[in-house]
Amino acid sequence: GAVVSQHPSRVICKSGTSVKIECRSLDFQATTMFWYRQFPKKSLMLMATSNEGSKATYEQGVEKDKFLINHASLTLSTLTVTSAHPEDSSFYICSAASGSFYEQYFGPGTRLTVT
Amino acid sequence: SQELEQSPQSLIVQEGKNLTINCTSSKTLYGLYWYKQKYGEGLIFLMMLQKGGEEKSHEKITAKLDEKKQQSSLHITASQPSHAGIYLCGADRDDKIIFGKGTRLHILP
Repeated sequence: GAVVSQHPSRVICKSGTSVKIECRSLDFQATTMFWYRQFPKKSLMLMATSNEGSKATYEQGVEKDKFLINHASLTLSTLTVTSAHPEDSSFYICSAASGSFYEQYFGPGTRLTVT
Repeated sequence: SQELEQSPQSLIVQEGKNLTINCTSSKTLYGLYWYKQKYGEGLIFLMMLQKGGEEKSHEKITAKLDEKKQQSSLHITASQPSHAGIYLCGADRDDKIIFGKGTRLHILP
């Protein structure tokens, strides 16, 4: 089956620093990748959709300059949290799709803690 | 407003017992998905339902979509410890998937 990996699985960073999270589709080419954020006891919230080679489409309320998304190849997308603050601490999950948006394969998630 | 409501929010069940989780939408569901998430991990796709009245089963898990396509239920028969986790329903909405808040299932040995 389709496998999506995320790296790192856990990261702790200090306030004001930037942190990059990678999302890779290991055995298929992902034309579209999605980034989600999950708060405790809350819905999984879509942050942005990225298509390979083009700019990401951000959901309403998500700061483009704070959450930089790059989808440089068909197997890799990165999310960079810039100038991180404690309120950015969360569980970030990516998913990848090779065709229809509903055929998404999810990564294992990255736990970000900002101190 | 939360478009997908899941109930219950949390469920504790004795091993071997049956259980049902519900997902209700305020709008017609054109694609309804069920996922399982282990604590602190990613989502595992379980099933997709599209047609009113559709029912699908995988091992001991059965999911149904009602005729009006506004409610889905996930039923687990003879629950096992391996069924523990968070179950999320998701729905197609404007070329993306929106999710419910999840139901936390605990299985008591």
